[in-house]
Order: sequence, then structure tokens, then C-alpha cells
Amino acid sequence: GAGVSQSPSNKVTEKGKDVELRCDPISGHTALYWYRQSLGQGLEFLIYFQGNSAPDKSGLPSDRFSAERTGGSVSTLTIQRTQQEDSAVYLCASSLLAGVPNEQYFGPGTRLTVT
Amino acid sequence: AQSVTQLGSHVSVSEGALVLLRCNYSSSVPPYLFWYVQYPNQGLQLLLKYTSAATLVKGINGFEAEFKKSETSFHLTKPSAHMSDAAEYFCAVSDANFGNEKLTFGTGTRLTIIP
Repeated sequence: GAGVSQSPSNKVTEKGKDVELRCDPISGHTALYWYRQSLGQGLEFLIYFQGNSAPDKSGLPSDRFSAERTGGSVSTLTIQRTQQEDSAVYLCASSLLAGVPNEQYFGPGTRLTVT
Repeated sequence: AQSVTQLGSHVSVSEGALVLLRCNYSSSVPPYLFWYVQYPNQGLQLLLKYTSAATLVKGINGFEAEFKKSETSFHLTKPSAHMSDAAEYFCAVSDANFGNEKLTFGTGTRLTIIP
């Protein structure tokens, strides 16, 4: 079956521009996560959505970062006024249920390069 | 806060030799622990998880890990390395005890297999 998909796979943008990264989770998965993977910081949690509950935004590094999840499915991560330190691979994951340690299925990521 | 420490950012083993990747955790509650593998330019794939059932956990591709509470460890092993095992491996702990399954990752161990 279809896994988690992310688009675009690669994005090059100029410093100061806004970018939107998209995540399509596995159908029926209620939980969705965004992580960031960078050389300096490793793998970091960014934000977590579970059903209709308020998202956990505790991992977002600054107010330039925001995310939404429409209709409990597709999610968009937006970075405003991008900076060079935002360059990283942004990974999305989804899981079937929350409250138990279910497997998170990861997408292939979006590689963001800020020039 | 929960955390994991992976000892050794790079590990090299000969094909057919034992693979041992080390992970130690810190948690104020019984943890849920995971090992993920990442092949080049791909997302993360779950190898195995510990969720307070059996302390010896078997995963995919012949890997297994043993939860040792006394040592706060969850080391990953495979009796005989194969060339296809070359990848980066991440140990992670879940916040599921707090109603949020976000993962906190270690810094990763890159495994190289020597022919």
C-alpha cells in the first residue's frame, strides 16, 4: 500500500523567502509528526498532530515555523523568511493510534537548501 | 526529559562478524524504546521496539535488542553482518507515557561493513 509521501523531494530557496512542505500520511493514520534532520542538530521533533486535539508545537524552533493539518489528513509545514540554518531534511511520519507506542512510518523527506 | 545516547558515531565491522550498536537511555518512567534504520536518501524504517513486554526484542533483518533496566541500555545486535546492513541506525525513546508519542532520537551510528 501507499506509504507516507512528501513533496517536494528537494527545495532550493533564497534566504528570506517562504516555503511550504507537504506531507500526505498513510490513509487512516490519526497521528502525524514533523521532524527535522540536520548535520548540526541530528533528528529533532518539530510538531505533532493527533486527531482534533490541539497540536503539540513544542519543538518548533521559532515563530517563523508553522504547520497545519487539514481534514485530519494532509499536513503543510510552512517556514517564513527562511534562514540558512533552516537548511535540513524535513521528515514527516504518521502512526495509526496515539496513546500506545505505535510504529511511526516515515516519509522520504524534503531536503531544503537555503542559499 | 527523556534522552538517549548512542556511543560511537561510526562503527565498522567485517562481513559475517557480530554487529553491536550501543544505546543508553535516560527516563524518569519506564521507557518505550525503538531502533530505526536509515538507508541513503531514504526515510527511517523501524527495526524493532521495546514496549515493556519481553526484554529481548527481535526485529527485522535478523536484528535484536535487549532491554536492560539495571544498565539503562538497549543495545542493538546482529550475529552476522551483511553488506546490505550498511546504513545509519538511530535509537529513540518515546514520550508515550505522557500521552504524546513524539520520538527523541540519539545522534545516530553509521555502520560500515567491510567486505
